Amino acid sequence: GAGVSQTPSNKVTEKGKYVELRCDPISGHTALYWYRQSLGQGPEFLIYFQGTGAADDSGLPNDRFFAVRPEGSVSTLKIQRTERGDSAVYLCASSLNVPGTSGGQYNEQFFGPGTRLTVL
Amino acid sequence: DAKTTQPPSMDCAEGRAANLPCNHSTISGNEYVYWYRQIHSQGPQYIIHGLKNNETNEMASLIITEDRKSSTLILPHATLRDTAVYYCIYWGKNTGNQFYFGTGTSLTVIP
Repeated sequence: GAGVSQTPSNKVTEKGKYVELRCDPISGHTALYWYRQSLGQGPEFLIYFQGTGAADDSGLPNDRFFAVRPEGSVSTLKIQRTERGDSAVYLCASSLNVPGTSGGQYNEQFFGPGTRLTVL
Repeated sequence: DAKTTQPPSMDCAEGRAANLPCNHSTISGNEYVYWYRQIHSQGPQYIIHGLKNNETNEMASLIITEDRKSSTLILPHATLRDTAVYYCIYWGKNTGNQFYFGTGTSLTVIP
């Protein structure tokens, strides 16, 4: 079946602009995660959804970042007033169950290829 | 208080076993350890996970110590395509109920 897809694969924008990054998870996966990865670093947690609701958004760096998942499937990460420091690869992942609810089984995350955001 | 600790880099000869260690001393009793790898310019790929018992699948084996404070990922016959960054992670209260990736181990398989 289809894996996690992310669009666009690359996004170049100017400082101060608004961007939206889209994630299509694997069908039927309850949990959806957003990460940000800077060069030479591991993925950094931003937010995760359980169904339609944000279960934990403590990783969002500031209020310029916002994410939604209105129907419990596709998710959009929105960044307002972009800054050069927002440049990174934004990764999305999904898992069948929500961590902690089933003892770890079926909680493996399947990652998309990422969106490379460049803010000029 | 580091959540997981991994050596920053390792080399392995092609065809030999690659043994990648990870310390996770703050893991709790019911929290699974997961291993992922990331090949350059791709999203992380799930490899294996375990709780207490050793695990094996078509990609790798996972050895977890009895006290669960550390684990070792074993790639039995490393190939050039196994060159990647390997992360061990877990989810639990000591990671703020998030998957914390850290910087992982950069494994280079040498021909």
